[in-house]
Parts: sequence; structure tokens; C-alpha cells
Amino acid sequence: KQEVTQIPAALSVPEGENLVLNCSFTDSAIYNLQWFRQDPGKGLTSLLLIQSSQREQTSGRLNASLDKSSGRSTLYIAASQPGDSATYLCAVRQLGYSTLTFGKGTMLLVSP
Amino acid sequence: GAVVSQHPSRVICKSGTSVKIECRSLDFQATTMFWYRQFPKQSLMLMATSNEGSKATYEQGVEKDKFLINHASLTLSTLTVTSAHPEDSSFYICSAVAESSYEQYFGPGTRLTVT
Repeated sequence: KQEVTQIPAALSVPEGENLVLNCSFTDSAIYNLQWFRQDPGKGLTSLLLIQSSQREQTSGRLNASLDKSSGRSTLYIAASQPGDSATYLCAVRQLGYSTLTFGKGTMLLVSP
Repeated sequence: GAVVSQHPSRVICKSGTSVKIECRSLDFQATTMFWYRQFPKQSLMLMATSNEGSKATYEQGVEKDKFLINHASLTLSTLTVTSAHPEDSSFYICSAVAESSYEQYFGPGTRLTVT
């Protein structure tokens, strides 16, 4: 059974810092991996999707990497802003399945 | 990008009544939609997979007679919480799969409170 772990569970940084969120998964037979953002009381916004054949994806200040063989992904946020404050969720899709397995998320607080 | 809507965004109902939540893919067709439940400060828990034109597939521990799912068209799935109880109070989120990329797009969620 696939398990997804996110470290740290919570992170507080001052504005402007570069930061890294970590995600690990136990079964490397994945189809893709997605990073989401969730604001309190809201749904999920897809940030980046990495196919299993890819090593990284970039969107603006966000960069996500994937090392499938070691079961790890990182989300790098450059020059953090208070508006980046949210919970970041990592989810993987197994080969042969359409469902996603989610980690518990990292709650990020960026203070001005 | 692809948009998924949910209605209502918030609902308060009395114990014993039924509540229907709609999930729509606005600009793409989705043969597969998912329903999740999220408790405070917890991650999303998959409840069921909704397939257009066929019966939903429920995860272990989810009562199919209590959480009725209908996926009558390629853009609409509904979740009906029957005979709601206070313990059913939660945040319900749907997602739809874009067949071209297999990327999941999530709705904004529905906050259900059962009094």
C-alpha cells in the first residue's frame, strides 16, 4: 500500500527566504506526482504535475523535482511571500490506478 | 486551466435529513470523478470513485447506502448524504480527471454541518 509522507508538518519563515518542502513515497511504481496548495477552508489548487518520466517541473517561483527511484520529491519555493502561506499537499498516482494518495501536508506560514 | 465547481459551498442541515452536493467540470469532460472527505487539519480521504454511466466504487469503510453517488453525465457527479448525523459534518471535496493529461482538478469544497 502506497504511503506518502511530508516533512516538515509545519514551517514558519520570514518573507524573502527560499524554502524546500519534502515528500517521500514508499512505492516507486507511480504514474505521476502532483503538488497542491490548499488555503484554509478551500479546495485544492494544482501547482505542478510531474510525470514519472520527468525529473522536474517549474512554474514561476516554484520548482518541483522527482527522484522516482528513491521515492522522493521536493517543492522549492523561491523568494517566499506572505501570500504563499497555505498548506502544501503532495499526492502520487500509482501505475494502473486513477486515484491519488495524499500526504498530510506541510503548513507554511510566511511572515512579513 | 480546467475548472471544477461544487454546489453548495456551505450547507447546514438537521440530523436525519439528506443533503445533495453537486460537482461539475465546467470546461472539460470527465469520465472519472472522485469524492474526498477532509477532517480538520487532516489530509484528504478518498471516499469513492465515480464513473460516468456506471456504479461508483467505494473505499473500504465508506457506506454506499449512506453516501449515494450518481455520475449521470460527463460533467456532473452528485454526492447525497442520506440521513445525515452530526458525525457526517466535514469538508467534502470532489475532483475530476482530465483524460488528456490524467491530471486531477479539484472543486472548492463543500462544508457540511449537521446539527
